[in-house]
Amino acid sequence: QVQLQESGPGLVKPSETLSLTCTVSDYSINSDYYWGWIRQPPGKGLDWIGTIYHGGSTYYNPSLKSRLTISIDKSKSQFSLKLSSVTAADTAVYYCARGRPTPMVSYFDSWGQGTLVTVSS
Amino acid sequence: DIQMTQSPSTLSASVGDRVTITCRASQSISSWLAWYQQKPGKAPKLLIYKASSLESGVPSRFSGSGSGTEFTLTISSLQPDDFATYYCQQYNSFSETFGQGTKVEIK
Repeated sequence: QVQLQESGPGLVKPSETLSLTCTVSDYSINSDYYWGWIRQPPGKGLDWIGTIYHGGSTYYNPSLKSRLTISIDKSKSQFSLKLSSVTAADTAVYYCARGRPTPMVSYFDSWGQGTLVTVSS
Repeated sequence: DIQMTQSPSTLSASVGDRVTITCRASQSISSWLAWYQQKPGKAPKLLIYKASSLESGVPSRFSGSGSGTEFTLTISSLQPDDFATYYCQQYNSFSETFGQGTKVEIK
């Protein structure tokens, strides 16, 4: 049973960079799966942020693409999110998840517990 | 981007009721649709993928149908554990999108 755990600061100042890491355990991050980030503003719905394949290919939400970097470190069994120039609108619970491969892109079959990131001075 | 619209936004139902939630895509997504259940303070849980395939371990009272632009999630007999918010997600394009959610409340 794969386990995913998000980690990173819970408070980020406006205009700074939000950085989160997802540690994958009990499963090989080098397997034929995708690894994704999804966020949920307080009291609102789910927003897909972006996804990385174990080979390093990425695809991002167009609305975030200019501020977003997702990377993978297979040696540490981790993948990471960096979102620059944050504002209060980026305040959300951030989830990492495993994406099951399909002939198209992916849906998410396992999720981390989520971590709340607040953007405030 | 493909937009996903769920209806209703909120649904009030009783234990034992048959419940149907609809998800419409702004363009055809074939059968590339998943459904999730989310309870307060918890991560979403995958219920259905490829529009109608039941995820392992998910009770058979959950079912999905549809293709193209219109999809439904049906709970055949609502149980106390099913009161939650449900989301659809399309994965037809390299810009995956979720519906806005349907909250199933106790009537």
